[in-house]
Amino acid sequence: DAGVIQSPRHEVTEMGQEVTLRCKPISGHNSLFWYRQTMMRGLELLIYFNNNVPIDDSGMPEDRFSAKMPNASFSTLKIQPSEPRDSAVYFCASRDERDFTDTQYFGPGTRLTVL
Amino acid sequence: ELKVEQNPLFLSMQEGKNYTIYCNYSTTSDRLYWYRQDPGKSLESLFVLLSNGAVKQEGRLMASLDTKARLSTLHITAAVHDLSATYFCAVANMNYGGSQGNLIFGKGTKLSVKP
Repeated sequence: DAGVIQSPRHEVTEMGQEVTLRCKPISGHNSLFWYRQTMMRGLELLIYFNNNVPIDDSGMPEDRFSAKMPNASFSTLKIQPSEPRDSAVYFCASRDERDFTDTQYFGPGTRLTVL
Repeated sequence: ELKVEQNPLFLSMQEGKNYTIYCNYSTTSDRLYWYRQDPGKSLESLFVLLSNGAVKQEGRLMASLDTKARLSTLHITAAVHDLSATYFCAVANMNYGGSQGNLIFGKGTKLSVKP
């Protein structure tokens, strides 16, 4: 099992540029989560999909952030325009609702630096 | 609002010593998760505690859950250097019509085990 795959692993960009982060969940998992990790705020949910449908996007900071899940094996998180305060590690996690433990499995993360 | 508090946030231990990390949460939940994160790495699932009184052990780590007290503990026995990492507890957000949504994370406990 390949686990959750994220790309790119590192991204350095300049303020105002568009950034797209990608995630491939574990095959067969039907829930997908985007989290952001910063020193100040810790780990916080950005958006949660179930069966490709956004269920909770209350954590998306503002209109500059958008997320899509066009199919069960792919999701994107886009920031446009990016700002220095968006610098963080962005994790994607997936879960199989058939798993009675509801454990979420995390990808390696994308470390984003906005200059 | 569901809140999760861990203490201590920083823990420096000597090898061979025992210690306990505490995790308190603010609302009823019967599912609690412990994750480990090494520097610059992803989150690795350690334990899933699904009911009051649940106890799980793996090597030198033992986790327990008291849902009435809204408290989970992670006990470290005879610490070794390899246990140095950041440990997070997380509680399931059940505010989705009884279904489990995202995880609410504590701030993490950074453990350093010294010879």
